[in-house]
Amino acid sequence: EVQLVESGGGLVKPGGSLRLSCTDSGSTFSNYAMNWVRQAPGKGLEWVSFISTSSTYIFYADSVKGRFAISRDNAANSVYLHMNSLRVEDTAVYYCASQPRRTGSPFDNWGQGTLVSVSS
Amino acid sequence: QSALPQPASVSGSPGQSVTISCTGTSSDVGGYNFVSWYQQHPGKAPKLMIYDVNNRPSGVSDRFSGSKSDNTASLTISGLQAEDEADYYCMSYISSRYVFGSGTKVTVL
Repeated sequence: EVQLVESGGGLVKPGGSLRLSCTDSGSTFSNYAMNWVRQAPGKGLEWVSFISTSSTYIFYADSVKGRFAISRDNAANSVYLHMNSLRVEDTAVYYCASQPRRTGSPFDNWGQGTLVSVSS
Repeated sequence: QSALPQPASVSGSPGQSVTISCTGTSSDVGGYNFVSWYQQHPGKAPKLMIYDVNNRPSGVSDRFSGSKSDNTASLTISGLQAEDEADYYCMSYISSRYVFGSGTKVTVL
């Protein structure tokens, strides 16, 4: 079973950088594509980025393209979100979510989220 | 890609049914049978309730059902219970990306 735990959130100044981590304590991490989804305070869910099982395919929302980078290390059962040039509007709880390896599959397991606050 | 429109709120008494709509286009909701629904209680992570328009994951109550007509997907909660009070989001696949709905708050009166 997939059990996801995020870490790395915190307070950062505009223009700064942060790296989020998401680790799966299960044993089947390499079988799942992974996503990052964020939720600004009091707002709805926003899909941020996708990475396929072997990192062959990577996609980003327009709002973060060119500033964020997703990566994964299957040996470490982890996915990462490297966030650069952070803006106030990037303030949100960031969730990692797994999905089975097929086109359009749902996000069937979620972490508990990690809060990123961008403020001067 | 803007959020898919959903009603901001719906409400019902215990035992009643409520339906939440999720309106898209032929490029997203109408173009694929890859619509899923998520329940989120305050301060908690989202939970998958429906996938591929009308399928329930193991462990999800059969009071939850999904459907789709043209470019609009719907989630129906039958026999409303107090624990169903939460925010609900639809999500659609759209050619290598995903888009969520704007979210609907379900209130049990």
